Amino acid sequence: DIQMTQSPSSLSASVGDRVTITCRASQSVSSYLNWYQQKPGKAPTLLIYAASTLESGVPSRFSGSGSGTDFTLTISSLQPEDFATYYCQQSYTTTFGQGTKLEIK
Amino acid sequence: QVQLQESGPGLVKPSQTLSLTCTVSGDSISSGSYYWSWIRQPAGKGLEWIGRIFSIGSTNYNPSLKSRVTISVDTSKNQFSLNLTSVTAADTAIYYCARVRYDVLTGRNWFDRWGQGTLVAVSS
Repeated sequence: DIQMTQSPSSLSASVGDRVTITCRASQSVSSYLNWYQQKPGKAPTLLIYAASTLESGVPSRFSGSGSGTDFTLTISSLQPEDFATYYCQQSYTTTFGQGTKLEIK
Repeated sequence: QVQLQESGPGLVKPSQTLSLTCTVSGDSISSGSYYWSWIRQPAGKGLEWIGRIFSIGSTNYNPSLKSRVTISVDTSKNQFSLNLTSVTAADTAIYYCARVRYDVLTGRNWFDRWGQGTLVAVSS
């Protein structure tokens, strides 16, 4: 199966910081790559689909890039509500990364 | 605005069958470029895809769970269901149902709506 590896697994940052999370696939998934945000006790919510398309209603400070095996999620200027866990997901065969927990420094 | 709601027992005994239902409101389960999926998350861990179903009934399952999983749909009730047989403590998790939007031209797909999740514990 296709393995998804996120880095880092956890990250401490401050409000206003620019943050980048990386997701690597064990084989090419083209642009079949999505990003989700999950806050404690809540279901995940969709941020980015098809590697770089912003879901409707998601703030423009979130962006995604990449193709093939290497992808990034960038938050241009962290806001207090962005502290959460982020997951990538490949939709070729459907597997998730292990998650990146973004914490307040 | 479409909403999904999971329902079912919160406690299942080992070796028995876990059965959950997802009720979809705000749209027909048969409409549009969607299929319907189950995902689970053990406490403090990551997300695991279980499987998906199209409104016409065709299914795909996670290979690691395929021998124990059945997903079915009841379009008359706007519901889809999960059965997971021979459960063990390792199946204890929050179970989410989700809608999957897909691009008919490219096949790209993504989970665009999620239920709130329901905790199922496997214990005697």
